[in-house]
Amino acid sequence: GAGVSQSPRYKVAKRGQDVALRCDPISGHVSLFWYQQALGQGPEFLTYFQNEAQLDKSGLPSDRFFAERPEGSVSTLKIQRTQQEDSAVYLCASSSVRGHEQFFGPGTRLTVL
Amino acid sequence: QKEVEQDPGPLSVPEGAIVSLNCTYSNSAFQYFMWYRQYSRKGPELLMYTYSSGNKEDGRFTAQVDKSSKYISLFIRDSQPSDSATYLCAMKGSGEYGNKLVFGAGTILRVKS
Repeated sequence: GAGVSQSPRYKVAKRGQDVALRCDPISGHVSLFWYQQALGQGPEFLTYFQNEAQLDKSGLPSDRFFAERPEGSVSTLKIQRTQQEDSAVYLCASSSVRGHEQFFGPGTRLTVL
Repeated sequence: QKEVEQDPGPLSVPEGAIVSLNCTYSNSAFQYFMWYRQYSRKGPELLMYTYSSGNKEDGRFTAQVDKSSKYISLFIRDSQPSDSATYLCAMKGSGEYGNKLVFGAGTILRVKS
């Protein structure tokens, strides 16, 4: 009965490094979402996939952020040339094709030094 | 002004008390309303999901939505120390591009034994 899993759970990067964050959604869930949660704030939407199609990337803060889901299951969020303001928890969520409920993973805590 | 406003607290109550958590919102397109619970260093956990106006009860939890006032509430009866967490309200519109959740900042709840 696996839920949404994310790896790594913690990532420390030096400013300027590239990072890749992985999300494994609940099996069979068509929709996949990425959110960014700053300390003391609610999650903020980054991007949304339906199967392998990225239907909404309006929340990505800059062109340094890139997400993919090439086979419609696992997704990767990549951040190039990380900056200190990228430090946050990155959350992945999935939902079924007709479901409005989104189920979240544990998140990846990214710290950029 | 944010689309969803939520008092960050902290809200401190004695064990057994009734807790009332609230959010207001400005976007009349929101139709689906959720409450998530988030423990420290964990991902958000879905507690309640409500469509449009009305009440929904699940055990000790009751969710209320008043679309005319753009106001939603979560009530917790017989609160327990294990209820101590951050409570996030979230909402979304409908249609293909209404999938992203918009969150409040979260209310920190502390239940004292």
